[in-house]
Amino acid sequence: EAGVTQSPTHLIKTRGQQATLRCSPISGHTSVYWYQQALGLGLQFLLWYDEGEERNRGNFPPRFSGRQFPNYSSELNVNALELEDSALYLCASSKTGEVQPQHFGDGTRLSIL
Amino acid sequence: AQSVTQPDIHITVSEGASLELRCNYSYGATPYLFWYVQSPGQGLQLLLKYFSGDTLVQGIKGFEAEFKRSQSSFNLRKPSVHWSDAAEYFCAVTNTGGFKTIFGAGTRLFVKA
Repeated sequence: EAGVTQSPTHLIKTRGQQATLRCSPISGHTSVYWYQQALGLGLQFLLWYDEGEERNRGNFPPRFSGRQFPNYSSELNVNALELEDSALYLCASSKTGEVQPQHFGDGTRLSIL
Repeated sequence: AQSVTQPDIHITVSEGASLELRCNYSYGATPYLFWYVQSPGQGLQLLLKYFSGDTLVQGIKGFEAEFKRSQSSFNLRKPSVHWSDAAEYFCAVTNTGGFKTIFGAGTRLFVKA
C-alpha cells in the first residue's frame, strides 16, 4: 500500500511569490491535513479537508489556502510568500468517521530567499 | 482546552540503556493518544496508539507506552535503545471525532555509543 506522497520534495521561492504544494493521501483515506513545521515552532495545524470541503483551519492568515480534489488529493497554496514561511510542510491523511491516527508524508521543504 | 506537554526538550541515553519519554495531556473526555517518531528531513511515523482497553500498549520498533489516567500521562518506553532510535518523538492527543490532533513540542533523543 502506497503511503502519503507529497511533491515537490524541495521548493525554493523568493519573497512575494506564490507556492503550490501537493499531497496524495493513502488509498481509501478521505481526510487530508496540512501542518507547518518551522524551526523551533513544532507542528502547527494549518488546514483540514474532508470529502472535498475545508472543515477546519488553524491560526494562519488567509494567504494560506488550499483545496481537495474529487480523488481526495490536495493542494496547499501560499501566496505573497514571506521569509518566515520557510518550513517543512507536512501532509497527513486518515479515514473519516472514526478516530484514526494520521499517516504522514515526508513533507515539502519550502525555502524562501 | 486540549494540550500536550513533553517536559523534556532533549534526552541523551547510552546505546543499550533503557528509555522513558514523558508525555502529559490535558483533555476533558477520554483521550485518544499517539506517539510518533520523526527522523531528520522526514515525516512522522506512527509508533503506537491508545484508544481504550489495556493501558499498556505495544508499538513498533520495540516501543511501548502506558496510559495512566490518574496522572494524565502517556509515557513512551523502550528497554534497550539502539543508535538508530536517535530521532525526535512527538506525543499527540486527538478528540472524539478524530479530526483535531494536538501535538506536543517533541523530545529529541540522542544516543551515545
